[in-house]
Amino acid sequence: KAGVTQTPRYLIKTRGQQVTLSCSPISGHRSVSWYQQTPGQGLQFLFEYFSETQRNKGNFPGRFSGRQFSNSRSEMNVSTLELGDSALYLCASSLQGALNEKLFFGSGTQLSVL
Amino acid sequence: GENVEQHPSTLSVQEGDSAVIKCTYSDSASNYFPWYKQELGKRPQLIIDIRSNVGEKKDQRIAVTLNKTAKHFSLHITETQPEDSAVYFCAAQDNYGQNFVFGPGTRLSVLP
Repeated sequence: KAGVTQTPRYLIKTRGQQVTLSCSPISGHRSVSWYQQTPGQGLQFLFEYFSETQRNKGNFPGRFSGRQFSNSRSEMNVSTLELGDSALYLCASSLQGALNEKLFFGSGTQLSVL
Repeated sequence: GENVEQHPSTLSVQEGDSAVIKCTYSDSASNYFPWYKQELGKRPQLIIDIRSNVGEKKDQRIAVTLNKTAKHFSLHITETQPEDSAVYFCAAQDNYGQNFVFGPGTRLSVLP
């Protein structure tokens, strides 16, 4: 069974641009969540999607948005990029995002904002 | 909301020694606590987890203990090997199941 797949692996953008990251969960997993990983802040929760609905959102500005498609694939969008958005963006999936379910991560998209 | 603290931030041990990483959490409603290992440039990988109805769980050289009363849990690695060198993250799942709060990580170095 294929794991969580994220594309692209690396991205370089300039301030003010926007970016879209993609995530394909493990087959059969319907919950997809996104995390931002930085050396200083560790892993920070962005949002979680299930059945095309955002169920939970972390403490990030509205420039960070996402969506989920009917096949459970998810995209994350960041608009008006800032230097501080440079980070590793990790997608994770679980069966239903229910209590006690294991969470599996993708390899991440490394975003650099110049 | 939930807050997870993790200590130490860095840990160096000699090969063959044991390593212990400790985490505390703030929300008594949290019931599921996984540990992840992240090698340089790779994805975080789940190595062991524990649920609140269990006090201890072992998997070969790795064990996790949970004290719900004190709201802390620990990762124990015995007979450490160089390939155990990585950053380890503890986490607590919120009581809705949709969000995990992670500790800041512990960089473990196993010296040959």
